[in-house]
Amino acid sequence: NAGVTQTPKFQVLKTGQSMTLQCAQDMNHEYMSWYRQDPGMGLRLIHYSVGAGITDQGEVPNGYNVSRSTTEDFPLRLLSAAPSQTSVYFCASSYNTGEGGYTFGSGTRLTVV
Amino acid sequence: TQLLEQSPQFLSIQEGENLTVYCNSSSVFSSLQWYRQEPGEGPVLLVTVVTGGEVKKLKRLTFQFGDARKDSSLHITAAQPGDTGLYLCAGVSQGGSEKLVFGKGMKLTVNP
Repeated sequence: NAGVTQTPKFQVLKTGQSMTLQCAQDMNHEYMSWYRQDPGMGLRLIHYSVGAGITDQGEVPNGYNVSRSTTEDFPLRLLSAAPSQTSVYFCASSYNTGEGGYTFGSGTRLTVV
Repeated sequence: TQLLEQSPQFLSIQEGENLTVYCNSSSVFSSLQWYRQEPGEGPVLLVTVVTGGEVKKLKRLTFQFGDARKDSSLHITAAQPGDTGLYLCAGVSQGGSEKLVFGKGMKLTVNP
């Protein structure tokens, strides 16, 4: 069982470039979320999904897009990277947000120069 | 957006000491979760509490959910160096939203 797989693990982008952070889970979880983690800020919710075809915004959605065409995959797109998006990004999934808790991937460390 | 305040934010103690971490909010949560994160890794779920007043124990860790479901605490007995890490509380707000929001965390260092 792979759990939650994030790729790439590290990425350096130039300002204005676009990229997609990949996230896949093999646990048949309905709920998936993207977080960013910055020093002193904890984990902040970017976007989340309660099932295929359904997404919603979190606390810090600006500059990010998501889609959920399958249960397994939940990619995060940066359309025009900015230095403020330098962060560690975590994808997570759960069978039940309230009672089950989330399983997290190992993260993508993104630097925008 | 509900705010989860954790205190203390940093704690450095000697092996064998006890400690308590607090997670407070003005909002009511349908559930509260505690995670532990080590450097370079994603958070790992420790426990979920869903009933006001609920107490759960995980070896030397005791978790409590406040009666009003607005706060929670984590107590560690006889801390060990292996307990070192970032402890995060997270809550699902009452009212149907499936958002899980996190506090800023408490960085614990247990010195041998």
